[in-house]
Amino acid sequence: EVQLVESGGGLVQPGGSLRLSCAASGFTFSSYNMNWVRQAPGKGLEWVSYISSSSSTIYYADSVKGRFTISRDNAKNSLYLQMNSLRDEDTAVYYCARDGYYDYVWGTYRSPHWGQGTLVTVSS
Amino acid sequence: QLVLTQSPSASASLGASVKLTCTLSSGHSNYAIAWHQQQPEKGPRYLMKLNSDGSHSKGDGIPDRFSGSSSGAERYLIISSLQSEDEADYYCQTWGTGPWVFGGGTKLTVL
Repeated sequence: EVQLVESGGGLVQPGGSLRLSCAASGFTFSSYNMNWVRQAPGKGLEWVSYISSSSSTIYYADSVKGRFTISRDNAKNSLYLQMNSLRDEDTAVYYCARDGYYDYVWGTYRSPHWGQGTLVTVSS
Repeated sequence: QLVLTQSPSASASLGASVKLTCTLSSGHSNYAIAWHQQQPEKGPRYLMKLNSDGSHSKGDGIPDRFSGSSSGAERYLIISSLQSEDEADYYCQTWGTGPWVFGGGTKLTVL
């Protein structure tokens, strides 16, 4: 069974830091590009960051560029998000999300998958 | 600029069918999208990837009641035989140069 389990959320003061983790199981983690997506209270989904399967390509949303750092450890089947200089507007549930891709070897589409999320609250 | 537009809300009766629409911005009518469902107080769940030709790849365990179709820049999610558990937010999503792009979501109410 495919599982993505986020951890590391909590209450932090403005200007503080947090490191989120996402533990993957049930699939070949090193074959998939990964994303962090967040959802502020009562709002829609907002893409935050992307990392390719080999970590060679990384993207950030403008709202977090220079403050957040995405990384992964394929040996540990884990994805990370280091969040620094946190602001009130970073308050959200953060989801780890596996991207999909077409597996030309097996002729099938490997679908995206979501974790259950971890809540980050930035408040004094 | 790549933008996805969704109506904020939709409603339909129990047992009926509903068609939700996601519109791609000008110049992007050949893009594939994905549909995701978010039930109240839960994380999102992938439903399907929908290509411009209407072909789609559904996620594991997604009922046959969920299907998709395409016309020009519009991508549709069709839910038939509506059940109470289908009451949820539905988001379309596509792929920019790397980043995911989301529509604003449609809140579906089952009457």
